[in-house]
Amino acid sequence: NAGVTQTPKFQVLKTGQSMTLQCAQDMNHNSMYWYRQDPGMGLRLIYYSASEGTTDKGEVPNGYNVSRLNKREFSLRLESAAPSQTSVYFCASSGRGGLARETQYFGPGTRLLVL
Amino acid sequence: AQSVTQLGSHVSVSEGALVLLRCNYSSSVPPYLFWYVQYPNQGLQLLLKYTSAATLVKGINGFEAEFKKSETSFHLTKPSAHMSDAAEYFCAVTADTGRRALTFGSGTRLQVQP
Repeated sequence: NAGVTQTPKFQVLKTGQSMTLQCAQDMNHNSMYWYRQDPGMGLRLIYYSASEGTTDKGEVPNGYNVSRLNKREFSLRLESAAPSQTSVYFCASSGRGGLARETQYFGPGTRLLVL
Repeated sequence: AQSVTQLGSHVSVSEGALVLLRCNYSSSVPPYLFWYVQYPNQGLQLLLKYTSAATLVKGINGFEAEFKKSETSFHLTKPSAHMSDAAEYFCAVTADTGRRALTFGSGTRLQVQP
């Protein structure tokens, strides 16, 4: 099993450019999440999808959009990148049962630099 | 709403010494608590979790944590540090109400000196 995969691994954008971060999981999980990690701030939730067909805002959703394409895939889009979006982005998935106590499994991350 | 505070952004221990990483949480409902480890340039890996069964939880690589409701704490310990334990450690909380995503602490970077 590959677990949670993310593409690309690294990306450099200019201010105002757009891009989509891709995430896929092969564990038949219902819930998927996007986090960003910034130094000294831990991970903060951007958006999540409790099940196929549903998405909800997290703690820091401004400047992002998401699409739960199917049960396996959950993409994160930056429509007009800003330097404040320079960060490491992690996708995670959990739960055949969608329960809070179920372990979240994380992808390897995407490092994004916005100039 | 839940929150997590990790005391000490950097902790340094000698190889063979006790590791103690502190985590305090705030939650208005019974929490589920997690410790994750992140090695350089990698994703997060689960060390252990508390889900309201035994209060002393054993995890991978010799780590354990004790849930203390009266102290709202979930500190991570390991009796004897190895060089390979050098990494960043995150405590996280969630619950069965509201958004079921994790709320993370700011992390503690563990250095192990030879």
